[in-house]
Amino acid sequence: KAGVTQTPRYLIKTRGQQVTLSCSPISGHRSVSWYQQTPGQGLQFLFEYFSETQRNKGNFPGRFSGRQFSNSRSEMNVSTLELGDSALYLCASSLVGTSGNNEQFFGPGTRLTVL
Amino acid sequence: AQRVTQPEKLLSVFKGAPVELKCNYSYSGSPELFWYVQYSRQRLQLLLRHISRESIKGFTADLNKGETSFHLKKPFAQEEDSAMYYCALSGMGAQKLVFGQGTRLTINP
Repeated sequence: KAGVTQTPRYLIKTRGQQVTLSCSPISGHRSVSWYQQTPGQGLQFLFEYFSETQRNKGNFPGRFSGRQFSNSRSEMNVSTLELGDSALYLCASSLVGTSGNNEQFFGPGTRLTVL
Repeated sequence: AQRVTQPEKLLSVFKGAPVELKCNYSYSGSPELFWYVQYSRQRLQLLLRHISRESIKGFTADLNKGETSFHLKKPFAQEEDSAMYYCALSGMGAQKLVFGQGTRLTINP
């Protein structure tokens, strides 16, 4: 099975711009979660989508948004970029089957640099 | 509040020595606890979870609810164990993971 893929792998943007990141989960996985990783704050949960619905949301401003398509692929969008948004954005997918089977499989990440 | 604390940012041990990576948590309710590992130039991957009670690559971790700890242990470290280790928790069956800051483990030859 192919792993979680994320595109693009690297992005450079300037302050005020917006950006869209894409994540393709493992085939059959219906849950997609997004995380932001920075040296200062570590790994922080952004949001989770399941069956095209946002099920859970972390403590991030409304500039961060996401969506999930019927094929379970997900995108996240960051509008009005700030310097502090520079980070590695990780996507993880999960089968979400029976209770306890919620292992998350991570993608390689998208490295966003805001200048 | 949900929180995971890994007190050691860096840990260095010699090959063959025992390893213990500490993890403490705070959570109101019954959490699920995990250890994730990231080897150099590889993705973050699950090492083990408290529910499965497995030993993976010689590592074990026991959930101590009284001390709210989930320390990761290995009796004899190997050079290939050098990596970044993250302790994480979630609600039972939930997808939201709360991570600790990570411990960089270096195994010296």
